[in-house]
Amino acid sequence: DTAVSQTPKYLVTQMGNDKSIKCEQNLGHDTMYWYKQDSKKFLKIMFSYNNKELIINETVPNRFSPKSPDKAHLNLHINSLELGDSAVYFCASSQGQGAIGNTIYFGEGSWLTVV
Amino acid sequence: QKEVEQNSGPLSVPEGAIASLNCTYSDRGSQSFFWYRQYSGKSPELIMFIYSNGDKEDGRFTAQLNKASQYVSLLIRDSQPSDSATYLCAVGSNYQLIWGAGTKLIIKP
Repeated sequence: DTAVSQTPKYLVTQMGNDKSIKCEQNLGHDTMYWYKQDSKKFLKIMFSYNNKELIINETVPNRFSPKSPDKAHLNLHINSLELGDSAVYFCASSQGQGAIGNTIYFGEGSWLTVV
Repeated sequence: QKEVEQNSGPLSVPEGAIASLNCTYSDRGSQSFFWYRQYSGKSPELIMFIYSNGDKEDGRFTAQLNKASQYVSLLIRDSQPSDSATYLCAVGSNYQLIWGAGTKLIIKP
């Protein structure tokens, strides 16, 4: 069983479209994240949820909206897609929300290409 | 602004040699330090974490932390072609984890 699973793995879409990426973790973790990795390989946190509560919301355009229906799921919805949104989006989870003693487990990534 | 810096590489090392990867960080209050490995087209996976000054060994991997000089390094002994990947350093304090851009390591047979 995949610990952190996200779908779809590949997504090619046109500018202006709205798309969603779904994520689920079966590790029993309390904290989930969305990361963006651009072409230069920088891994940047976008959002973090702890027990369905938003705890980190980095400077991300309002077009990006996370939703956590329960602590095992964290979905990402993107409105009005732009060319610059093309990147790999990683969902991740950890047991706690601090940086101490919490290993982050990543999903396989969702490759988004906006054309 | 808190930063984590790594040499982007690529770092080329002969098979069987020791690969040395370095990472410096700006926040003196940092408390946790992680090394992740990322193969091309794959997600990052944890190799090691270290919290205290000194060395921590796990198999062929050794993490070294020097808080006074604000650097953390990863040594890979007896390098194998399968170690070829990008190695990401992540530094944590309180609720924030800052990532470096990674060093690309190439092990040449």
